Amino acid sequence: EPEVTQTPSHQVTQMGQEVILRCVPISNHLYFYWYRQILGQKVEFLVSFYNNEISEKSEIFDDQFSVERPDGSNFTLKIRSTKLEDSAMYFCASSTLSGTYTDTQYFGPGTRLTVL
Amino acid sequence: GQQLNQSPQSMFIQEGEDVSMNCTSSSIFNTWLWYKQDPGEGPVLLIALYKAGELTSNGRLTAQFGITRKDSFLNISASIPSDVGIYFCAGQLSGRDDKIIFGKGTRLHILP
Repeated sequence: EPEVTQTPSHQVTQMGQEVILRCVPISNHLYFYWYRQILGQKVEFLVSFYNNEISEKSEIFDDQFSVERPDGSNFTLKIRSTKLEDSAMYFCASSTLSGTYTDTQYFGPGTRLTVL
Repeated sequence: GQQLNQSPQSMFIQEGEDVSMNCTSSSIFNTWLWYKQDPGEGPVLLIALYKAGELTSNGRLTAQFGITRKDSFLNISASIPSDVGIYFCAGQLSGRDDKIIFGKGTRLHILP
């Protein structure tokens, strides 16, 4: 069964450094998302992406964050200058059209980001 | 912003017991979703509900989309050890490409 994959599974970085989290969505999917989950808390929406542009972003997704689909398969989340509070699990999700409706979102296994 | 109130926060049950958890919202949702998350993994979709009043089953799991579109419940019958995990209710306000708003989760523990 097709699935969303994410790399790396765990990223450790120093505060102020840039990180890029990578996702490979399910191959025929058109809509892409990033969510994050701070340890022990609920999953929170960051950004949605469709047709090579951001569809919606949350308050969390400030100027330090950016997303890109550099080729036909990858979807990346960049954090320019990481802060301690960016430590969290980051989940990529993707969905597609099913008839006249978009299908539900399928989540990847996540990247655990630790900022020291 | 929109919030989902999920209860209970955690449950301790005996293997074989039935489980019930629910979710309420002050906003109307067009779609209700139930996800399960195992430690260190991403949320996995269990059941999706698209119509008010809809009752849907997936094996031992049953979920309903409330008539008012502001609530949903999930039942698990005859629990087994692999049911352990965190169950999240979630909703989408508009279309299915809309962002998903998650509840805070119900952590299910199963006693041997």
